[in-house]
Amino acid sequence: AQSVTQLDSQVPVFEEAPVELRCNYSSSVSVYLFWYVQYPNQGLQLLLKYLSGSTLVKGINGFEAEFNKSQTSFHLRKPSVHISDTAEYFCAVGLFSGGYNKLIFGAGTRLAVHP
Amino acid sequence: GAGVSQSPRYKVTKRGQDVALRCDPISGHVSLYWYRQALGQGPEFLTYFNYEAQQDKSGLPNDRFSAERPEGSISTLTIQRTEQRDSAMYRCASSSPGLAGGEQYFGPGTRLTVT
Repeated sequence: AQSVTQLDSQVPVFEEAPVELRCNYSSSVSVYLFWYVQYPNQGLQLLLKYLSGSTLVKGINGFEAEFNKSQTSFHLRKPSVHISDTAEYFCAVGLFSGGYNKLIFGAGTRLAVHP
Repeated sequence: GAGVSQSPRYKVTKRGQDVALRCDPISGHVSLYWYRQALGQGPEFLTYFNYEAQQDKSGLPNDRFSAERPEGSISTLTIQRTEQRDSAMYRCASSSPGLAGGEQYFGPGTRLTVT
């Protein structure tokens, strides 16, 4: 069975500091990996995705993530965070079959950026 | 253009009542997903539609839950005889079909509270 573990439920950080949000997955098949962000009172928004190819993936708002197959990880990083990055971040595995993508989400990591 | 919309945004109902949650996907998106998100958890897949065909309902928790999309556009998720454990955020997403990396665009969700 596929599953996603986000190792930190909350991450406090000061503005302009670097941040890493950790994500590990388990799957017996090839997977597609995603990071979504949820701002207060809004829907989930795609930050970035890994399908194949380069293991370093760049997304919106200066975020990037690295796919590590041997460690089954897909950690999200940003070298310098802003107050506006305060949100909840979800890592997800996509199970693509029959022409559609069923997403399996982790429990989320709440990023709190302090001035 | 307009994104995915959901209504109502908030719904409070008494235990035992039926509720209907509506999702209006992005125009032209033939794929539609429903997810449920309990407090402190990530979204959990409920069901998937390709046009009007419900191709996957493996995530519906029991037979009190049903969904339809009769004309391949707007979808309704119905919960009969609601129970307190049904309280959650219900999210809808739509996408273009056939692509493993196809982004799912999420609506703002309906917060259901069963008292």
